[in-house]
Amino acid sequence: SYVLTQPPSVSVAPGKTARITCGGNNIGSKSVHWYQQKPGQAPVLVIYYDSDRPSGIPERFSGSNSGNTATLTISRVEAGDEADYYCQVWDSSSDHPVVFGGGTKLTVL
Amino acid sequence: QVQLQESGPGLVKPSQTLSLTCTVSGGSISSGGYYWSWIRQHPGKGLEWIGYIYYSGSTYYNPSLKSRVTISVDTSKNQFSLKLSSVTAADTAVYYCARRERGGTEPFDPWGQGTLVTVSS
Repeated sequence: SYVLTQPPSVSVAPGKTARITCGGNNIGSKSVHWYQQKPGQAPVLVIYYDSDRPSGIPERFSGSNSGNTATLTISRVEAGDEADYYCQVWDSSSDHPVVFGGGTKLTVL
Repeated sequence: QVQLQESGPGLVKPSQTLSLTCTVSGGSISSGGYYWSWIRQHPGKGLEWIGYIYYSGSTYYNPSLKSRVTISVDTSKNQFSLKLSSVTAADTAVYYCARRERGGTEPFDPWGQGTLVTVSS
């Protein structure tokens, strides 16, 4: 089955840019969705279809996807961005079509 | 906007059946156009898709759980439900319900707040 690989943790100082990667075989040919999960809360969609932002999500959140890596970029990081971030794709060729990455803990220093 | 709320017992004994319900408000399951899903998260771990159902009753399950999972829908109550049989401690998790638009590769949005289910005697 398809595997998505995320770094366990990323640290960034406030005001700087955080980049969280999601690796997968030819992931650039798939649509990637990103979810933010703060402690004790449900996941929230922050980026869908690689780079689209749902209403209410700050423009500081952006996404890209090419080759074997998708990236969630958070500009001008704030303390409130500290959370776990998960990427997700659909692997339509599999009988297990829903694939989540293992998650990345973003720490704001 | 659509909101989802999980409900059910927070404690289930080993070998018994876990039963949860997701109540949908702000939208009608029977209007179609969406799949209604269950996703779980083991303590301190990542997300695991369990399965989803369409208002017509058609279902799709995670192959690793398929033998133990049943998802059903009650359009009259605007609810859908999860049953997981023969549970063990490994089924202890926060269980989320979520909606996804019917299509090829749509995301899950929104999600319910989640409910913790502990399997223990």
